[in-house]
Amino acid sequence: DVKVTQSSRYLVKRTGEKVFLECVQDMDHENMFWYRQDPGLGLRLIYFSYDVKMKEKGDIPEGYSVSREKKERFSLILESASTNQTSMYLCASSLWGTGSRRSPLHFGNGTRLTVT
Amino acid sequence: AQTVTQSQPEMSVQEAETVTLSCTYDTSESDYYLFWYKQPPSRQMILVIRQEAYKQQNATENRFSVNFQKAAKSFSLKISDSQLGDAAMYFCAYRSATNTGTASKLTFGTGTRLQVTL
Repeated sequence: DVKVTQSSRYLVKRTGEKVFLECVQDMDHENMFWYRQDPGLGLRLIYFSYDVKMKEKGDIPEGYSVSREKKERFSLILESASTNQTSMYLCASSLWGTGSRRSPLHFGNGTRLTVT
Repeated sequence: AQTVTQSQPEMSVQEAETVTLSCTYDTSESDYYLFWYKQPPSRQMILVIRQEAYKQQNATENRFSVNFQKAAKSFSLKISDSQLGDAAMYFCAYRSATNTGTASKLTFGTGTRLQVTL
């Protein structure tokens, strides 16, 4: 079974702090994703990586950056946290290549971030 | 850009009854994949069912089945013999069959919260 682990389940940070959300997957997946989940808005893609050191912006990248130095780890960085970044953050991974089209995303349990 | 619409923010069903969750999508592509995910209170997103657009036959997984209407761009989820454990948020999602870059991302709807009552 694929395991996607997010380092924190709950996180409380102050406005202006630099915040790191970590995600690790154990199935050698090439693709990794960061989504943000808000009530009434569903899941929105922040950033996406299809290989080590490769990244692409999703639908709402503003205020975020990412890092993928190793295949199994994908970090989401809030350079200067703001209250409108209070949300649930979900990390996911999937296969690349021909498998990716029909392969599902495997999700972590989410990090609920509160910025005060 | 593709969009996915779930018009029912909340639904309720009695145990053992059948419920249908609606999903429509907008795309100009002819080849794609559609998914239903379940998110229980534990927050773990779980794949419920998957449909390939090139297949005319509706996908079925035990008590879960879909009604895929490609021309109408509709992809509803039917849950038969509902159980208390089916209570969750359900998300419909779309993925292009193009295999490069951000095309492999999933686009999600806003979700439908399903309550199951005794």
